[in-house]
Amino acid sequence: AQSVSQHNHHVILSEAASLELGCNYSYGGTVNLFWYVQYPGQHLQLLLKYFSGDPLVKGIKGFEAEFIKSKFSFNLRKPSVQWSDTAEYFCAVNAPSGGSYIPTFGRGTSLIVHP
Amino acid sequence: DTGVSQNPRHKITKRGQNVTFRCDPISEHNRLYWYRQTLGQGPEFLTYFQNEAQLEKSRLLSDRFSAERPKGSFSTLEIQRTEQGDSAMYLCASSSSTGVDEKLFFGSGTQLSVL
Repeated sequence: AQSVSQHNHHVILSEAASLELGCNYSYGGTVNLFWYVQYPGQHLQLLLKYFSGDPLVKGIKGFEAEFIKSKFSFNLRKPSVQWSDTAEYFCAVNAPSGGSYIPTFGRGTSLIVHP
Repeated sequence: DTGVSQNPRHKITKRGQNVTFRCDPISEHNRLYWYRQTLGQGPEFLTYFQNEAQLEKSRLLSDRFSAERPKGSFSTLEIQRTEQGDSAMYLCASSSSTGVDEKLFFGSGTQLSVL
């Protein structure tokens, strides 16, 4: 079964700092990759996704992620964070599991941005 | 479109009692997922339905857990003889996809506390 590793569990930044959150997955075949975000008191929602084509994908609120197949990675980046980016960030992978595609999540990274 | 709705939002129960949670997905979505999330962890897959058919179940889903989706609309997740280890946030998500374009729409979850 595929697995997803997020190595940064807690990140604390000041506003305007740059952000990079790591995500690695274990599946060797074709994958589809996602970052979800959960703002305080809200439900999980999609930030961005990669299916094919350009490995650099852009999402909402200035976030982007780069798929590097050789490194099995899909790191999330933002050049300049804002206080409102304080949230939990989850990397997820869709890979075949039996006859289905089951979205598998990493344990998440808690980001705190100080104003 | 009112999003994915879960009820109740919170449930406190005594060990050994049975509990049932309900999820109303986005109306046109044919796929429905149940996940469990504990503190400091990402969502862990429990089971999923395509229409009314339950297609996949995780090993996490012991015999005490059962899920249904009659008529392919709302779903219920029942836990019998609850244990303290069942305390978690139970998340429901739905999707309109039939392939790898598996963007999930999450509900706000049901927080279960087993005393």
